[in-house]
Amino acid sequence: GQNIDQPTEMTATEGAIVQINCTYQTSGFNGLFWYQQHAGEAPTFLSYNVLDGLEEKGRFSSFLSRSKGYSYLLLKELQMKDSASYLCAVRDSNYQLIWGAGTKLIIKP
Amino acid sequence: IAGITQAPTSQILAAGRRMTLRCTQDMRHNAMYWYRQDLGLGLRLIHYSNTAGTTGKGEVPDGYSVSRANTDDFPLTLASAVPSQTSVYFCASSDNEADTQYFGPGTRLTVL
Repeated sequence: GQNIDQPTEMTATEGAIVQINCTYQTSGFNGLFWYQQHAGEAPTFLSYNVLDGLEEKGRFSSFLSRSKGYSYLLLKELQMKDSASYLCAVRDSNYQLIWGAGTKLIIKP
Repeated sequence: IAGITQAPTSQILAAGRRMTLRCTQDMRHNAMYWYRQDLGLGLRLIHYSNTAGTTGKGEVPDGYSVSRANTDDFPLTLASAVPSQTSVYFCASSDNEADTQYFGPGTRLTVL
């Protein structure tokens, strides 16, 4: 079967750095996405990786290792507004997105 | 309209009733999707449409139907609602099936 694993919840301090991991087993691979979802709102696109390596976009970076079935999202200089759930999704061989359950990130002052 | 809109925002429905959730996008995207989101689970694909006039089944299609008569609209119908269909429903769209998906604000549905 297809499976996306990510931690259920993480806590970090304002101004710090946090890394959210995602491991996957899917039928084929056509890219990995990270989305941010604030409570009661829609998911919003953060990043996309299809090749191995690090993609940097401001305070957020995303890393992919296809051989290990592994990705992480790195958030730097954490702000209170970064408190949200972070969703990892893999596009499979049928071009459908398989989603993890999300990681709830709690930022403390 | 800018982006994707969904209606209603929320709804309480008696079991056995028929309900249509509406989704409209103004980005001229070819592909559209319906997901449900339940606590502790990832988003699950219900139905999708890669282009107007075509639809396909996702991971959890039973009890739901869709139509895609034009590019902009992609309604989701529950023919006879059951309590297990209580969920938050998100509509999404992308330029094509290989592109990034963008989400509507969601519909919170409660079936009693």
